[in-house]
Amino acid sequence: EAEVAQSPRYKITEKSQAVAFWCDPISGHATLYWYRQILGQGPELLVQFQDESVVDDSQLPKDRFSAERLKGVDSTLKIQPAELGDSAMYLCASSLAFGLAGAMNTGELFFGEGSRLTVL
Amino acid sequence: AQSVTQPDIHITVSEGASLELRCNYSYGATPYLFWYVQSPGQGLQLLLKYFSGDTLVQGIKGFEAEFKRSQSSFNLRKPSVHWSDAAEYFCAVGPYSGGGADGLTFGKGTHLIIQP
Repeated sequence: EAEVAQSPRYKITEKSQAVAFWCDPISGHATLYWYRQILGQGPELLVQFQDESVVDDSQLPKDRFSAERLKGVDSTLKIQPAELGDSAMYLCASSLAFGLAGAMNTGELFFGEGSRLTVL
Repeated sequence: AQSVTQPDIHITVSEGASLELRCNYSYGATPYLFWYVQSPGQGLQLLLKYFSGDTLVQGIKGFEAEFKRSQSSFNLRKPSVHWSDAAEYFCAVGPYSGGGADGLTFGKGTHLIIQP
């Protein structure tokens, strides 16, 4: 069964360092999402891509976070410099393009296993 | 803006007993509603979803949920829980139409504890 791949699974870093997370969505999924999940909370959307274009990054702290999906396939989320409050699980998800006609497009998001970040 | 409320942070249920997890949503149009489950340190797995039609939807692992428009609710139920059901459960609503994007909005989750 196709899966969303994320790496690394775990990352420990010191504050002020740079960190990067990688995501490879399910093949054929045009829409890619990055969510942040703080311990004990629900996931919160950081950024959404449609192919290589950013659709929504209104909740992305742009002074330190950046995201790209240059070829419309895999994506990288970067934090520089990392702060203590960035400790969280970073989840990547993908879906077929919403609004795309067809019974297969149910709007379901498929999640990777996440990247757990600890900032010391 | 859309929002999801899961009133119960923790729920403890005895193995074999029935379960109901509550979810209330706020959305300006007909919502798309989802329930996801998350085991510790893992990603989210879809249990079930509602788009239209029959308001009682069946999902995986014996779960079902009922959409009640008049109450803005989408409660998750299971007639008999198993120890393996212990996890975090998230209700989500979408699509988000305010900014043209369609990312899901999640509730804060309900932590399910199963007593032997």
